[in-house]
Amino acid sequence: KQEVTQIPAALSVPEGENLVLNCSFTDSAIYNLQWFRQDPGKGLTSLLLIQSSQREQTSGRLNASLDKSSGRSTLYIAASQPGDSATYLCAVRPRLTGGGNKLTFGTGTQLKVEL
Amino acid sequence: GAGVSQSPRYKVAKRGQDVALRCDPISGHVSLFWYQQALGQGPEFLTYFQNEAQLDKSGLPSDRFFAERPEGSVSTLKIQRTQQEDSAVYLCASSSRPSPGQVSYEQYFGPGTRLTVT
Repeated sequence: KQEVTQIPAALSVPEGENLVLNCSFTDSAIYNLQWFRQDPGKGLTSLLLIQSSQREQTSGRLNASLDKSSGRSTLYIAASQPGDSATYLCAVRPRLTGGGNKLTFGTGTQLKVEL
Repeated sequence: GAGVSQSPRYKVAKRGQDVALRCDPISGHVSLFWYQQALGQGPEFLTYFQNEAQLDKSGLPSDRFFAERPEGSVSTLKIQRTQQEDSAVYLCASSSRPSPGQVSYEQYFGPGTRLTVT
């Protein structure tokens, strides 16, 4: 059974700092890995999707990397801002016959960026 | 265009009541997913539809949970005889069929329904 772990569970940083969020997964047979942002009381917003054949994806101040063989992904946030405060979730889609497209999520990292 | 919508946004039910949660996916999206998110946890898969066919219901926690998508668009998640442990946010997501040569595709999530069972 696929298990996804995110470290740290919570993080508080001053504005402007660069930071790294970590995600690890136990089964490397994945189709893709997706990073989401969740604001309190709201649904999930997709940030980046990395296909299993890719090593990284970038969007603005965000960069996500994927090392499938070691079961790890990192989300790098440059020059953090208070508006980045949210919970960040990573999720993997399995590469299993009949496994459908269901995602397995980590428990998230709660980020607070302080002024 | 409009994103995934869910209703109601909040639902309070007394233990033992039945509830019905609705999901309107993005127009034209063939795949629809339901997830359950307990407080402080990541979402967990409940069930998956491709058009009107329920292809995977392995995540439904008990036979009190039932989902349907009769016309391949709107879906309803029904919980019978609610229990306190059913309190959670229920998220719906939809995705389109991948383009030729595309291996997989993104899921787009709705805002969720927060269910509180008292």
